[in-house]
Amino acid sequence: RKEVEQDPGPFNVPEGATVAFNCTYSNSASQSFFWYRQDCRKEPKLLMSVYSSGNEDGRFTAQLNRASQYISLLIRDSKLSDSATYLCVVSASWGKLQFGAGTQVVVTP
Amino acid sequence: SQTIHQWPATLVQPVGSPLSLECTVEGTSNPNLYWYRQAAGRGLQLLFYSVGIGQISSEVPQNLSASRPQDRQFILSSKKLLLSDSGFYLCAWSPQGYYGYTFGSGTRLTVV
Repeated sequence: RKEVEQDPGPFNVPEGATVAFNCTYSNSASQSFFWYRQDCRKEPKLLMSVYSSGNEDGRFTAQLNRASQYISLLIRDSKLSDSATYLCVVSASWGKLQFGAGTQVVVTP
Repeated sequence: SQTIHQWPATLVQPVGSPLSLECTVEGTSNPNLYWYRQAAGRGLQLLFYSVGIGQISSEVPQNLSASRPQDRQFILSSKKLLLSDSGFYLCAWSPQGYYGYTFGSGTRLTVV
């Protein structure tokens, strides 16, 4: 079983719509959680940290469910520029992060 | 502000040739440093990480090695490249005690 699992997609989303997707993680001891965004052939960039109480950053909302060991990301009012691969990231042992393979989102006009 | 530099951006190397990729961080001291590889359509695989000069931990046995000769310099090397070494190599750094990584712009390596 992979340590961080994501639906690879693609999620095809009309511009202005809402899209949500999850990832699951296997390490119950993980303490830190993130969403990264990766554009085609570019490096991943931190989108947002995920806090236990859930958090928003503009049109992006992240949720953490420790009991079920999953993290979600919701994007409201999708823009064409939101098209990217979204990587779910979970802390492993000291200082190390485990990356999911990513969920591809394609926003269409 | 902190910046991370990684070069070259692209590299085509024949099988059996050596490899040296360099990564440097500016604007911080004593960073944690990481080398990741991303194969086409795959997730990021941690190759090496370092908490200080000369301190290297290897995650996956393979045809690669890493060195940290200076506090903010991290080098990925191979003596003889294999076809399977092709991929997108990413260097990253984080402050001590914080998990958020910042990645360099990556090196796309094709072994032919």
